[in-house]
Amino acid sequence: GIQVEQSPPDLILQEGANSTLRCNFSDSVNNLQWFHQNPWGQLINLFYIPSGTKQNGRLSATTVATERYSLLYISSSQTTDSGVYFCAVVMNTGFQKLVFGTGTRLLVSP
Amino acid sequence: DAMVIQNPRYQVTQFGKPVTLSCSQTLNHNVMYWYQQKSSQAPKLLFHYYDKDFNNEADTPDNFQSRRPNTSFCFLDIRSPGLGDAAMYLCATSSPRDRGIDEQFFGPGTRLTVL
Repeated sequence: GIQVEQSPPDLILQEGANSTLRCNFSDSVNNLQWFHQNPWGQLINLFYIPSGTKQNGRLSATTVATERYSLLYISSSQTTDSGVYFCAVVMNTGFQKLVFGTGTRLLVSP
Repeated sequence: DAMVIQNPRYQVTQFGKPVTLSCSQTLNHNVMYWYQQKSSQAPKLLFHYYDKDFNNEADTPDNFQSRRPNTSFCFLDIRSPGLGDAAMYLCATSSPRDRGIDEQFFGPGTRLTVL
């Protein structure tokens, strides 16, 4: 099956710093989503981004489908950005099933 | 606001005692999913309903069952919970038919403890 790898696995930032999270996938995809899982466990939708670039406030994402990767940029990080960031992809074939990446655990300290 | 709701948020059960988790949605989405997420792992799909059609993942244990009595509600039944079933259970919805895209939206989850 498709492999979805995220890097780095863990990241510690000082408040105000910028960061880039990466998602690599091993096969063609129809869909890619970025989620933030907060400390209470809820998965919050950040981006639906099968290709191209999107921005939402301090966050932006870019997916280069032909090269099989996506990037999530966090600027001016805040303590509330702490949590786990997952990318998840849907393959081009078969049922539209989300396959989650390995996750990046982010801790933003004051 | 349209949303995905899960009840209860925390559930404690005893080893072997059946338990039911509930999910409802006000999004009117035709697809509903159940995921299991164990500590420090990514969510793993257990099964999904596409309208009334039930689709089980090949590696979902028989101990897990699901019911969808109508568009809005979906239940996860664990017939005989074992210690290994302690996890966060996440419900999600999507509406690829109506929206043309298959973005999934998640509920807040139910954290299950098995004693």
